[in-house]
Amino acid sequence: EAQVTQNPRYLITVTGKKLTVTCSQNMNHEYMSWYRQDPGLGLRQIYYSMNVEVTDKGDVPEGYKVSRKEKRNFPLILESPSPNQTSLYFCASGSVAEAFFGQGTRLTVV
Amino acid sequence: DQQVKQNSPSLSVQEGRISILNCDYTNSMFDYFLWYKKYPAEGPTFLISISSIKDKNEDGRFTVFLNKSAKHLSLHIVPSQPGDSAVYFCAASDNTDKLIFGTGTRLQVFP
Repeated sequence: EAQVTQNPRYLITVTGKKLTVTCSQNMNHEYMSWYRQDPGLGLRQIYYSMNVEVTDKGDVPEGYKVSRKEKRNFPLILESPSPNQTSLYFCASGSVAEAFFGQGTRLTVV
Repeated sequence: DQQVKQNSPSLSVQEGRISILNCDYTNSMFDYFLWYKKYPAEGPTFLISISSIKDKNEDGRFTVFLNKSAKHLSLHIVPSQPGDSAVYFCAASDNTDKLIFGTGTRLQVFP
């Protein structure tokens, strides 16, 4: 089954404690991206990757890092999370013309 | 500055009637537009798209209309069904690798 898998689905953490949200896809897509969804702001792109070792900033990259060491995985790293990064995060793969989204990770930073 | 705007946060429609969801954009370089549907606790799923060289695209009960001069697109759902109740996001791309989303419209279809 074609899918994008994010882990964890829910996470509560404390300010400053590094965390990683994993994302994996089994569709051999070159393009992957991360979004955050906030009330009244819709989905905003954090980072995207065109292929292995190729990443670029989206609209809201501050406070986030990504890596793309292999095609199927695109982890999102928060080196020092802050409360304003409390949000619902989505990973997506596929082209801009049709992206497949994971089920989301709800992150709370206290 | 919000380049893609959905000015109606919510819409309520009776089953069987037409649902019309609207979206406005400001960037004239956008050349590809999409609609995504999102149910609670799930990721968005692709619904329908349209290229700027067209003004209409139809897929079953869903039709997207594009008015380039007005920088406006709309999604029509006919007839609306209770299973259509979800949040709908419009999105746009300017032939780069970025996808810009609107803020979403929550559609509720009641019996």
